[in-house]
Amino acid sequence: RKEVEQDPGPFNVPEGATVAFNCTYSNSASQSFFWYRQDCRKEPKLLMSVYSSGNEDGRFTAQLNRASQYISLLIRDSKLSDSATYLCVVNRGNFNKFYFGSGTKLNVKP
Amino acid sequence: DVKVTQSSRYLVKRTGEKVFLECVQDMDHENMFWYRQDPGLGLRLIYFSYDVKMKEKGDIPEGYSVSREKKERFSLILESASTNQTSMYLCASSDRDRVYNEQFFGPGTRLTVL
Repeated sequence: RKEVEQDPGPFNVPEGATVAFNCTYSNSASQSFFWYRQDCRKEPKLLMSVYSSGNEDGRFTAQLNRASQYISLLIRDSKLSDSATYLCVVNRGNFNKFYFGSGTKLNVKP
Repeated sequence: DVKVTQSSRYLVKRTGEKVFLECVQDMDHENMFWYRQDPGLGLRLIYFSYDVKMKEKGDIPEGYSVSREKKERFSLILESASTNQTSMYLCASSDRDRVYNEQFFGPGTRLTVL
């Protein structure tokens, strides 16, 4: 079983839509959680960390459910520039080792 | 502006050649990582280093070695390149002593082994 699993998509949504992605992780000892964004042919960049109490950054909201071992990302009022692949990342508590999901592709269309 | 640089964006090598991929970071980070990224498989950790001359195997170290002689530089070596090592290689760095530590990635090297 993979450490981190995501629906690969693609999610095709119109501008202004709200879209949500989920990600599940297999190891209950995981301690820190992140969403990264990767544009086509570019390197991944941190979008936001995901804290136990949930957190919001503008149009983006991240939630963590430890009991069910999943992480979610909600994007409100989608923009064309949100089109990218979103990577779910988990750190098991060994601060040096990260596990990446294979990514969920989002296409926002006019 | 934080920066991780990689020696080449694109590289074409022949089977059996020795290949060196270089990565340099200017953020004084202790941790450095080498990943490969393949469609449908996501990023997979090859090796990481948490200090100069220290290294640990990741999930797919076979066929690779690494070197970290200076804090800012982490090299990935393919001793004898094979076609199944054709991939995108990404280097990253991060602080060591925080639970929520962001990884900063280089632009990647797309390696083709013929």
